[in-house]
Amino acid sequence: GQQVQQSPTSLVLQEGENAELQCNFSTSLNSMQWFYQRPGGSLVSVFYNPSGTKQSGRLTSTTVIKERRSSLHISSSQITDSGTYLCARGGNTGKLIFGLGTTLQVQP
Amino acid sequence: DPKIIQKPKYLVAVTGSEKILICEQYLGHNAMYWYRQSAKKPLEFMFSYSYQKLMDNQTASSRFQPQSSKKNHLDLQITALKPDDSATYFCASSQTGVNYAEQFFGPGTRLTVL
Repeated sequence: GQQVQQSPTSLVLQEGENAELQCNFSTSLNSMQWFYQRPGGSLVSVFYNPSGTKQSGRLTSTTVIKERRSSLHISSSQITDSGTYLCARGGNTGKLIFGLGTTLQVQP
Repeated sequence: DPKIIQKPKYLVAVTGSEKILICEQYLGHNAMYWYRQSAKKPLEFMFSYSYQKLMDNQTASSRFQPQSSKKNHLDLQITALKPDDSATYFCASSQTGVNYAEQFFGPGTRLTVL
């Protein structure tokens, strides 16, 4: 089975609404990272968040190691937030294991 | 200025040929990686290097060979190309070693094998 499961698969919001993206891990967690990707684009690191809560502007990430999960909260969504959000679990050889992503579409 | 450079941005190759994908990072990082992204599949780890030493290889095929001529270079040579090799290949780097490190990605090389 997939080691990193993301939900929802896709999400459509009206501009100004909030979004909650989830990432669940099937094995123990030592580090994780959230990325943002536009269609045809590269991956931009949003958060490196091994544990706890981190905030950057309208984005907040919370990782709970014991529960093997992480969430990404986007408040007051904007059209420019549209894209795919990927989470990945880190490993001791540098191997990141990715989920399939959540595709977010923010409409005006 | 881009900190991780990948060349070329697009690459078209014929089946059976050989290509080299270039990656250079100017972040002063000590570890570098290659990943592959194909349609409908999760991003897939291929290799990790730390201080120019191979740390992990998750590719099943020896047709994929990383080459590290300098600490900030990690090229990827692909031989006997197949249509299934068509994908976007991303290079990444991290500041310290590979151990649970935060990684930063380059813009990618989109490879199409005909």
